[in-house]
Amino acid sequence: EAQVTQNPRYLITVTGKKLTVTCSQNMNHEYMSWYRQDPGLGLRQIYYSMNVEVTDKGDVPEGYKVSRKEKRNFPLILESPSPNQTSLYFCASTRAGTSAYEQYFGPGTRLTVT
Amino acid sequence: AQSVTQPDIHITVSEGASLELRCNYSYGATPYLFWYVQSPGQGLQLLLKYFSGDTLVQGIKGFEAEFKRSQSSFNLRKPSVHWSDAAEYFCAVVQYSSASKIIFGSGTRLSIRP
Repeated sequence: EAQVTQNPRYLITVTGKKLTVTCSQNMNHEYMSWYRQDPGLGLRQIYYSMNVEVTDKGDVPEGYKVSRKEKRNFPLILESPSPNQTSLYFCASTRAGTSAYEQYFGPGTRLTVT
Repeated sequence: AQSVTQPDIHITVSEGASLELRCNYSYGATPYLFWYVQSPGQGLQLLLKYFSGDTLVQGIKGFEAEFKRSQSSFNLRKPSVHWSDAAEYFCAVVQYSSASKIIFGSGTRLSIRP
């Protein structure tokens, strides 16, 4: 089954404790992205990757890091989480090329930073 | 700058009634437009998309949307809603040259009155 998986689904942590949210897709997609969803703001892109070892900042990259060492994986790293990073996070992937652009979303990771 | 506006934060309709969710975009070139649905506790699922051609596009679950260039709009419609349509709906636009750069509206929450 084609899918995007994220782990963990729920995470409660404390300020300053480094964490990683994993994302994996089995569709051999070139593009992958991370979004955060906050009430009234919709989804905002944090980082995206166009292929292995190619990443770039989205609209709200501050406080986040990513890496793309393998095509299927795109982990999101919070080196020193703060309470304003409490949010619902989604990973998504999409195929490159024409008539693509449809994003396939993971189930989300709800992060609470206290 | 590109933007997507969903002017209605929350809409309530009666089961069996018709539905129209509004979406306006700001983008200089021909946009790629999408509607996604997010059921409670779930990730986002693509309802329909417009790339070119016929301005009335059909999607899943009985939804359709009409692209009106003159009004910069891409409104979502359904002739008769079902209780299972209660969800949050997001309009989105993708820049033609960058499949990884997608802009989401802030969302419209749909409630269904029995």
